[in-house]
Order: sequence, then structure tokens, then C-alpha cells
Amino acid sequence: DAMVIQNPRYQVTQFGKPVTLSCSQTLNHNVMYWYQQKSSQAPKLLFHYYDKDFNNEADTPDNFQSRRPNTSFCFLDIRSPGLGDAAMYLCATALGTFSGYTFGSGTRLTVV
Amino acid sequence: GENVEQHPSTLSVQEGDSAVIKCTYSDSASNYFPWYKQELGKGPQLIIDIRSNVGEKKDQRIAVTLNKTAKHFSLHITETQPEDSAVYFCAAKPSYQLTFGKGTKLSVIP
Repeated sequence: DAMVIQNPRYQVTQFGKPVTLSCSQTLNHNVMYWYQQKSSQAPKLLFHYYDKDFNNEADTPDNFQSRRPNTSFCFLDIRSPGLGDAAMYLCATALGTFSGYTFGSGTRLTVV
Repeated sequence: GENVEQHPSTLSVQEGDSAVIKCTYSDSASNYFPWYKQELGKGPQLIIDIRSNVGEKKDQRIAVTLNKTAKHFSLHITETQPEDSAVYFCAAKPSYQLTFGKGTKLSVIP
């Protein structure tokens, strides 16, 4: 089945230790998004790619970076995780900017 | 930018009763309105969506209505079942990104 896959499902990292979350898709969608979702809150957009064009939200901290080496894969890099970065990170894809999203299952990040 | 308000934040219903969740949006350019169901520890799943050229859409026990003039849309779940218990998010899309409401925690009491 075509889908959006996030790995790992659960990630524990140490305070200040770089961590990378990954997302892959078999839908061949040209838009990929990274959202941060904290407990009992709505998902918050961090950035998105339209093909290879990277778009950063104005309030996304510099601590967060992203890479999209090809259509299928997208990575979220957190350079120096703080306790406040503990959250669920959601990857989503869309076919064009006016289409609906398909979400992955998310990666739950814990910072210790 | 777009602003989406969602009410209520929590909703408890008896099994078999109906549940209604309402959302309003601010940007008249929004033309796509999905509803997502999120179970604990999982990513949001699309359950139904509606585009701005349609006033109502139904899929079995789930329906969505849209009033473009008033800028509000609603989710209706009939004959609720315990497995409907989850957090539901509405969203609106004026351009490249979805703006989400803050979510409604629905509890269906057996």
C-alpha cells in the first residue's frame, strides 16, 4: 500500500545531542511537510518542501533543519535538542499545494 | 494568515447518540476543509473532507457541512460507537498549508 512511513516510532535522545528523524513516502507526492505536535495541542508546521524548494516557517527555531535528498525521503535534524523539543513529530505529504495531506504515524521524541 | 476556531474542546456522548463538532475559519481564500481523527500515540487520519464548491458531504455515519458565507463547517457523527473515541481536528487550507483547529476530545460512553 502506498503510504508515509516515519522512523523510528519512538526516539530518546540526550539533551544537546543531535538527532535525526526520517520520513519516506511511496505516494510520489511532491510536497512534504514536517509538523511538531505537543501534548493536547494542534500540529504546528515547521517547514515544507515543494519538490526541492525548501520553505521555512518564520517562527521555526534555527535548531531545526531539514533535508530532502529525493522525492521519497525527507529528514528532520534537531541540532541541539532541548527539553522543550520533546514532542510528536509528524511528516505529511500532499500532491500539490491545494490537495489534502497524508500523515505518517509520527515519531515520539523524548529528551533526557 | 488563516485562523481556525474549534468547539467544543471536549465532548462526551452516550453510545448511539450523535456528536457535532463545529469550526469557524477566517480566510475567505480557504477552499479545502478536512477533518482528521487522531488516536493516542498515532498520526492524524483523514476521515472526511469537503471543498468549497460543495455544501455537504456524507460517508456512512460521518457527514460534514460547509457554510461559506458564514465561514463555518461542522462534523456530524451519528450512531456513535466506543471506537469513535479520539481527538478530532478540523483544518482549513487557503494555500500551501493546513491550519488546524485546537482539537476536540470525543469520548463515547458505552
